[in-house]
Amino acid sequence: TQLLEQSPQFLSIQEGENLTVYCNSSSVFSSLQWYRQEPGEGPVLLVTVVTGGEVKKLKRLTFQFGDARKDSSLHITAAQPGDTGLYLCAGGSAGGTSYGKLTFGQGTILTVHP
Amino acid sequence: NAGVTQTPKFRVLKTGQSMTLLCAQDMNHEYMYWYRQDPGMGLRLIHYSVGEGTTAKGEVPDGYNVSRLKKQNFLLGLESAAPSQTSVYFCASTKSRTPLGYTFGSGTRLTVV
Repeated sequence: TQLLEQSPQFLSIQEGENLTVYCNSSSVFSSLQWYRQEPGEGPVLLVTVVTGGEVKKLKRLTFQFGDARKDSSLHITAAQPGDTGLYLCAGGSAGGTSYGKLTFGQGTILTVHP
Repeated sequence: NAGVTQTPKFRVLKTGQSMTLLCAQDMNHEYMYWYRQDPGMGLRLIHYSVGEGTTAKGEVPDGYNVSRLKKQNFLLGLESAAPSQTSVYFCASTKSRTPLGYTFGSGTRLTVV
């Protein structure tokens, strides 16, 4: 069974601060995705990384996939109240029996105070 | 474009009652999934389908059944609801088996009393 450990579980910061969320596993994944979820809504895909060492930027968000494809990080620069939400990482495995299934981390609840 | 639509959004059941949650997608996606979300436990896969007429068990299938009679619809049934099934249920779909990203519905909040 593949597991993804996400840390920290909770993060409460002031507007303008930087933060990093980590997603770690002992398993290798063919892709790693990050989602953001707001209360009462479903998760929304932010980014997918597929190559070891890959770095993707989405405005103030920087996503990195570890060289060994076992870990990933999400870094937010100058956080804003609009960044508040639940952040989920999810790993996928290629192969005939994977059927697109994803393994999700437990999530990080981020609160950015004005 | 509606994406993935889940009905109902909220439901309260008594222990032992049955119900069906409906998921409909208009993106012609082959793969569909039912997850449950509980505090501190992330999303756990209940059942999934790789195409019309197919279903398979996920990580936590006990107490649930599913059907996919039409490509665009994926139904999740609770035969005899239990308080342990109180949760938020999400349906998701994706185009191919290469895990490049899901489109999620907005969820069904179910309470079993």
